[in-house]
Amino acid sequence: DAGVIQSPRHEVTEMGQEVTLRCKPISGHNSLFWYRQTMMRGLELLIYFNNNVPIDDSGMPEDRFSAKMPNASFSTLKIQPSEPRDSAVYFCASSKDRNYGYTFGSGTRLTVV
Amino acid sequence: KNEVEQSPQNLTAQEGEFITINCSYSVGISALHWLQQHPGGGIVSLFMLSSGKKKHGRLIATINIQEKHSSLHITASHPRDSAVYICAVNRTNKLIFGTGTLLAVQP
Repeated sequence: DAGVIQSPRHEVTEMGQEVTLRCKPISGHNSLFWYRQTMMRGLELLIYFNNNVPIDDSGMPEDRFSAKMPNASFSTLKIQPSEPRDSAVYFCASSKDRNYGYTFGSGTRLTVV
Repeated sequence: KNEVEQSPQNLTAQEGEFITINCSYSVGISALHWLQQHPGGGIVSLFMLSSGKKKHGRLIATINIQEKHSSLHITASHPRDSAVYICAVNRTNKLIFGTGTLLAVQP
């Protein structure tokens, strides 16, 4: 099993540009989570999906952020337009169900200049 | 007050020492997780606990549901154990994270 796969590993973009982060969960896992990690705020849940359906997006900072999960093997987190304060490491994680642990991807380090 | 509190925030130990990191939480949970993150690295799940005690190699995790408290112990610590250790509680299928404990084990 290749684990949770995120791409890209690093992204540097200019303020105002659109950024798309990608995640492939572990096959058979039915929950997918997007987290953001910053020095100031630590790890925060942005949104999570269960069976491809968004269940809780209360952590999405504002309308500039959107997430989709068109099928069980793929999810995207999009920021449009990006701002310097969006600079962070974005982690995707998947889980089989609440009684199992979580597997995290390697993260995408986003820098908006 | 954070729903998940960890202590200490920073810990420096000598190689071979027994290490304890503590986590207290204030909400009802279905499970508690201990995670490890190396500098600049990804996050690895060490344990998921809902009761009692679990052991994996030199790592031991315990939880007391009544007291809303968990501990992570590292026996015979090694420099490669240097990392941030994060406690997270599972509440309605969402993880709520502590702020982490930065552990440095010196040779």
